Amino acid sequence: DAGVIQSPRHEVTEMGQEVTLRCKPISGHNSLFWYRQTMMRGLELLIYFNNNVPIDDSGMPEDRFSAKMPNASFSTLKIQPSEPRDSAVYFCASSQSKAGFVNEQFFGPGTRLTVL
Amino acid sequence: GNSVTQMEGPVTLSEEAFLTINCTYTATGYPSLFWYVQYPGEGLQLLLKATKADDKGSNKGFEATYRKETTSFHLEKGSVQVSDSAVYFCALSDRGYSTLTFGKGTMLLVSP
Repeated sequence: DAGVIQSPRHEVTEMGQEVTLRCKPISGHNSLFWYRQTMMRGLELLIYFNNNVPIDDSGMPEDRFSAKMPNASFSTLKIQPSEPRDSAVYFCASSQSKAGFVNEQFFGPGTRLTVL
Repeated sequence: GNSVTQMEGPVTLSEEAFLTINCTYTATGYPSLFWYVQYPGEGLQLLLKATKADDKGSNKGFEATYRKETTSFHLEKGSVQVSDSAVYFCALSDRGYSTLTFGKGTMLLVSP
């Protein structure tokens, strides 16, 4: 298995531009997570999907952030408009979740976003 | 709510030294516990896990024991290598739930 795939690996953009991050989870996994990692705040869960449905988006910082999962093999995280404080590494992770079972998450390599 | 507290880093050690990274947790239920490792420029990888009290997770020479009485899950390794230099995250998951609660991470730097 190729693991969780994220693209792009690096993104540099200017303030005010729209940014779209992409994720392909591991085949057969039914849960998908978007995280943001910064030095100041550490690793933060932004949103998580189960069976393509958003379950918890309480970590999404503001309305400029949106996430979609149109099918089981693809998800996007969009920032519009982007701001310098959005600069971070964004990780996607997936898992096979079953009630009562240990839910190991598998992480992608991350997208390093720099907003100038 | 759930929370995980890790010792602050960086932890700086010489090769072959003994490693301990402390982790304590608070949880409303009976959680599963994890250690993840992040090598430079990469995503997090599961290092080891434990699902019930007194379980010992182990992998690549690392060990951690689930201590319910002290709500702890300390990571240990008897002899570290330069290649162990990374950031280590302690995490918990409530049984039956998909989300993980992570600690802030502890950077380990091992010098030759």
